[in-house]
Amino acid sequence: QSALTQPASVSGSPGQSITISCTGTNSDVGNFNLVSWYQHHPGKAPQLIIYEGTKRPSGVSNRFSGSKSGSTASLTISGLKAEDEADYYCCSFAGSNTWVFGGGTKLTVL
Amino acid sequence: QLQLQESGPGLVKPSETLSLTCTVSGGSISSNSYYWGCIRQPPGKGLEWIGIVYYSGNTYYNPSLKSRVTISVDTSKNQFSLKLSSVTAADTAVYYCARQKRAYDAFDIWGHGTMVTVS
Repeated sequence: QSALTQPASVSGSPGQSITISCTGTNSDVGNFNLVSWYQHHPGKAPQLIIYEGTKRPSGVSNRFSGSKSGSTASLTISGLKAEDEADYYCCSFAGSNTWVFGGGTKLTVL
Repeated sequence: QLQLQESGPGLVKPSETLSLTCTVSGGSISSNSYYWGCIRQPPGKGLEWIGIVYYSGNTYYNPSLKSRVTISVDTSKNQFSLKLSSVTAADTAVYYCARQKRAYDAFDIWGHGTMVTVS
């Protein structure tokens, strides 16, 4: 069970859109539609922003959207705001009731 | 609003056992709608899933940690606990408790985390 692969960092200007990728294998991302995404401001509790690949929990802005192609899941944030600056993590079901996280991506809003 | 609070020793000596307690408030741990999980983040690194426990006591662990991990639940105290044995410096991390909502297959509520240093 290896960690999912995410870019270490991405950046964008306010109002722009950015996409964060999350690459796994046929044992996790590629085999299940059970990818979730979390926003983490350091020192605070992580927050669920996407579940089951594309769904948003109640209260999460529709500026956040998720997708998947093959073994790569993606998180897109549109209309970037300063408050979106945070670390983002993906997580996937990996079979046999086990889960694997990505290494995290630091988003900088320029 | 359900909340999770981690409590731990802060500092553990190498080769000893790390013990962490997660207290659930504002809701019952004895619900068939949720699992209760432990996740950690070593300094400068990403999140690592440790394992989950169901209120009935069923557990599922990260294969890479399975030989050293025990997660248990105490429904009378509305708590679940993590024990990690034979710790080394590599186990130094912020440890989080989280609720996994079965309908979402995702961790929808997290604690703020507690730093545990092995030294």
